Amino acid sequence: QSALTQPASVSGSPGQSITISCTGTSSDIGSYILVSWYQQHPGKAPKLMIYEGSKRPSGVSNRFSGSKSGNTASLTISGLQAEDEADYYCCSYAGRTTLDVFGSGTKVTV
Amino acid sequence: EVQLVQSGAEVKKPGESLKISCQASGYSFTNYWIGWVRQMPGKGLECMGIIYPGDSDTRYSPSFQGQVTISADKSISTAYLQWSSLKASDTAMYYCARRDTPTEPLDYWGQGTLVTVSS
Repeated sequence: QSALTQPASVSGSPGQSITISCTGTSSDIGSYILVSWYQQHPGKAPKLMIYEGSKRPSGVSNRFSGSKSGNTASLTISGLQAEDEADYYCCSYAGRTTLDVFGSGTKVTV
Repeated sequence: EVQLVQSGAEVKKPGESLKISCQASGYSFTNYWIGWVRQMPGKGLECMGIIYPGDSDTRYSPSFQGQVTISADKSISTAYLQWSSLKASDTAMYYCARRDTPTEPLDYWGQGTLVTVSS
């Protein structure tokens, strides 16, 4: 199972909006709504930002939103802030034998 | 407060064995799955496998099947990841994380354990 495809980097100015794409296949993103997004600051553990495609865990800013269409999921960060500068990984459930497939990761620069 | 506390960094030689741990607190250990995730230096995240401490149901991602062993001791709320013969390519940060079911996201993460394998 190959990693999901994400752009290597995305940048934006403070206050702007950016969108990170995550492209998979009909075996993962295309088959399940179970897409999650994780934020990872340097030297830190990942943090769950979005789950089931568009749901936010308690405590996560509403500036983060997710969507899915076909084999592609997207994460949008609106009102970009300096603290949003981090790596972002998408993840899709891919079935009982494959478990999860992560994306290649996107470095967001503010 | 849910916490996953992992064991400290390890430096090992190729061919040696290793077992790292992930101690859970703040929730019912036997009612949630624990997953292990690898992050090689400068690389992305990879799902290794998951375990349900309640009945030790264990599932491995195909890339890691036969390469590692995941286990849990519910008497001390601790999950383990072990290798019988380490390779240089096992050098990585390893994270444990909690999930409600195999299809739910990883909602709480440990701080990570850095494993370095070098001769």
